[in-house]
Amino acid sequence: DAGVIQSPRHEVTEMGQEVTLRCKPISGHNSLFWYRQTMMRGLELLIYFNNNVPIDDSGMPEDRFSAKMPNASFSTLKIQPSEPRDSAVYFCASSFPGLGVDTQYFGPGTRLTVL
Amino acid sequence: KQEVTQIPAALSVPEGENLVLNCSFTDSAIYNLQWFRQDPGKGLTSLLLIQSSQREQTSGRLNASLDKSSGRSTLYIAASQPGDSATYLCAVDGSSNTGKLIFGQGTTLQVKP
Repeated sequence: DAGVIQSPRHEVTEMGQEVTLRCKPISGHNSLFWYRQTMMRGLELLIYFNNNVPIDDSGMPEDRFSAKMPNASFSTLKIQPSEPRDSAVYFCASSFPGLGVDTQYFGPGTRLTVL
Repeated sequence: KQEVTQIPAALSVPEGENLVLNCSFTDSAIYNLQWFRQDPGKGLTSLLLIQSSQREQTSGRLNASLDKSSGRSTLYIAASQPGDSATYLCAVDGSSNTGKLIFGQGTTLQVKP
């Protein structure tokens, strides 16, 4: 299996622009998580889906952030409009709790820089 | 609100030394605790997962222990190697078993040849 795939790996944009991050979970996994990592705040959960349904979005910082999971093999995290404080590494992770082992498998991350 | 703390923030040891990384959490009602490794510029790799009913898990030179009552976990690395240099993060999954992980800030380990 190719693991969790994220694109793009690096994104540089200007303040006010729309940014879309993409994630393909491991095939067969039914839980998907979006995290953000910064030096100041560490790794924070933004939102997670179970069977394509958003379960908890309490970590989404504000209305500028939105996430979708239209099918089991694809999810997006969108920031509109982007701000310099959104600069961070965004990780996607997936798991299959039904196996009784709840290990989350992380993608390589997208490094976002907002100028 | 669950809080996870890792001490020390950074650690440097000579190759071959045995070492212990510490993780503490404020709410003992957890479903599981996981240790991850993160290499610079990379994602996280799961090392060990301890269910709340377990006391420890072992994988190769790694041993993780869990003491729920005291809110502590340790990751023991035996005979450290330069390839072990990375940041180690612990994360707890609360009692609701949602997969909603709360992470510590990590311990950055450097093993010198």
